Amino acid sequence: NAGVTQTPKFRILKIGQSMTLQCTQDMNHNYMYWYRQDPGMGLKLIYYSVGAGITDKGEVPNGYNVSRSTTEDFPLRLELAAPSQTSVYFCASSYSQGAGSNQPQHFGDGTRLSIL
Amino acid sequence: GNSVTQMEGPVTLSEEAFLTINCTYTATGYPSLFWYVQYPGEGLQLLLKATKADDKGSNKGFEATYRKETTSFHLEKGSVQVSDSAVYFCALNLGSQGNLIFGKGTKLSVKP
Repeated sequence: NAGVTQTPKFRILKIGQSMTLQCTQDMNHNYMYWYRQDPGMGLKLIYYSVGAGITDKGEVPNGYNVSRSTTEDFPLRLELAAPSQTSVYFCASSYSQGAGSNQPQHFGDGTRLSIL
Repeated sequence: GNSVTQMEGPVTLSEEAFLTINCTYTATGYPSLFWYVQYPGEGLQLLLKATKADDKGSNKGFEATYRKETTSFHLEKGSVQVSDSAVYFCALNLGSQGNLIFGKGTKLSVKP
């Protein structure tokens, strides 16, 4: 059971560089999410997708872009890396949701990104 | 707005001690409530959940009861083990998009 797979696990970028964080899931989940986790701050939602071809902004979308061309993949792109984007990034997925849904989210192991 | 407040950590306990991690929430509707656990170097894993008032979620000896009157979802375990050392997150799910609103997390360290 692969679940949610994120690559790479670690990366160091220079300011101004760009990169794509990869996320893929094999559970046929419609919903996918990107979070960032800063020390002592919990997780903040960056972007989410309710299905292929549909994406929407979360709480902290600035400096990021996403696409969802397939059900399985939900890459996150940083165009101009800034030190403020140093964080641990988590991808998650779940089945379709309704209001107050009890469907849990399944998380990948995260990508630790440092911008120097 | 919607939010989750957890007790500040870190929490350090001896093995077999009783654990309580407090969680309260603010929500405009009727959320589902979750506890997630994060072991070092790993992603978050669902620990337990409750979907309506007075529901009790339980798993691996952990329990939490959805208290609407006090807007709380406190996590408890009667006897902790060293292997329970992790960061615990309380979260709520309110909207149709399913995005979770997390507390800041509580780090638990259990000493032998």
